[in-house]
Amino acid sequence: NAGVTQTPKFQVLKTGQSMTLQCAQDMNHEYMSWYRQDPGMGLRLIHYSVGAGITDQGEVPNGYNVSRSTTEDFPLRLLSAAPSQTSVYFCASSYSTRTNSPLHFGNGTRLTVT
Amino acid sequence: GQQVMQIPQYQHVQEGEDFTTYCNSSTTLSNIQWYKQRPGGHPVFLIQLVKSGEVKKQKRLTFQFGEAKKNSSLHITATQTTDVGTYFCAARPVNDYKLSFGAGTTVTVRA
Repeated sequence: NAGVTQTPKFQVLKTGQSMTLQCAQDMNHEYMSWYRQDPGMGLRLIHYSVGAGITDQGEVPNGYNVSRSTTEDFPLRLLSAAPSQTSVYFCASSYSTRTNSPLHFGNGTRLTVT
Repeated sequence: GQQVMQIPQYQHVQEGEDFTTYCNSSTTLSNIQWYKQRPGGHPVFLIQLVKSGEVKKQKRLTFQFGEAKKNSSLHITATQTTDVGTYFCAARPVNDYKLSFGAGTTVTVRA
C-alpha cells in the first residue's frame, strides 16, 4: 500500500512549456485534489474530483487542467508554464467527502519555472 | 467564497512554554481538520472536529471547535523541539466538498 504517489519530485520548466504532474493513489479513495503551496499563502486548492469522471475548480484553477478517468489517477496539466506557477504542488486524497475523512498527501512536486 | 484566517503566522516559543494558534472562518463549518507539516515534508493529518464546542486532546495538544462552528484553536503545552513545523487548519463549509486551508502557523522552538 503505497498511499499517494506523486511524480516527479522536482521539475524545472521554461516559460511556455507544458507538462503533467502525476498523482496516483492505491487506497480506493473517492476524493482527490491538487493544492499548491507558496510561502505565507498556505495550501490553495487548484482542482478537485469527487469521483471518476467528475472534476471541479478550486480557488486557483487558471492555467491548470485536470482529468479523472480512473479512481486511482488524477494528473494535473500545466498548459503553458509561467513563472507565477513556481511552487510546491501537493496531491491529496480522502476516502469519501460524505464521511468527512482526512486528507492523505503525497510527498509533493517542487516546480520551478524560469 | 469562504475565507479561513489563521493567526499568528509565526510563533517563536521557548522550550517548555505553551502557545495557541487560532483559526477563523467566514462561514459556518461542517467540520474542521488540523494538519502538521514538518520542514521539507508534507502535511499530515492530526485531528478532526465535528461537533459544536467539541474539545479533543492528543497528549500535549488540545483542539477546540467553537460553539458557532466558525472557529477553532490548537493549544500546545510544554512545547518541545519535536513540535517544530507548520500547523494548518482546514475547514469544510456546510454542504460543500471543498476543504480550504488557513495560511498556517509556523512554529520554531528555542532550546
